[in-house]
Amino acid sequence: KQEVTQIPAALSVPEGENLVLNCSFTDSAIYNLQWFRQDPGKGLTSLLLIQSSQREQTSGRLNASLDKSSGRSTLYIAASQPGDSATYLCAVANDYKLSFGAGTTVTVRA
Amino acid sequence: SQTIHQWPATLVQPVGSPLSLECTVEGTSNPNLYWYRQAAGRGLQLLFYSVGIGQISSEVPQNLSASRPQDRQFILSSKKLLLSDSGFYLCAWKSRVEAFFGQGTRLTVV
Repeated sequence: KQEVTQIPAALSVPEGENLVLNCSFTDSAIYNLQWFRQDPGKGLTSLLLIQSSQREQTSGRLNASLDKSSGRSTLYIAASQPGDSATYLCAVANDYKLSFGAGTTVTVRA
Repeated sequence: SQTIHQWPATLVQPVGSPLSLECTVEGTSNPNLYWYRQAAGRGLQLLFYSVGIGQISSEVPQNLSASRPQDRQFILSSKKLLLSDSGFYLCAWKSRVEAFFGQGTRLTVV
């Protein structure tokens, strides 16, 4: 059974600081890994998708890396803004299933 | 483009009452469909997934059931709700690559 862990559980930074969010998984036989953002009381918004054959993926200020052999992914958010405050979830796809971590709740202080 | 509709957004139901949550997908055919539950401060727990009409896989034994009467319709049901069924329910569909989520239903059982 795939186990996904996200560290830290919560993070508070001043505006402008770079964010580093970590995700680890136990079964390296994955199809892909997806990072999501969740605002309070809302659904999940897809941020980045990394295929199992890729090492990283970038979108604007966001960059996600994947090291499948060690079972790790990292989401970097450059020059954080108060609007980046949310919970960030990573999800690992094995076959038909998506397994989620518990998320990292980020607060960016103005 | 593909969209996913989930309703209602919020629901307050008494213990012992029935439940029916509906999810429909537009803009794609034969999607993989999923129901997740998110407890406060916790990750997403996969409840059911479906790879085709009438094909339902259950991940955890519980008070809930799911049905897929049409290709792009996924329904979550219960005959008698328990207090422990309270939570945030999310429907998702997955292409061969990426997953997309609805806006969720906040269920409170009282």
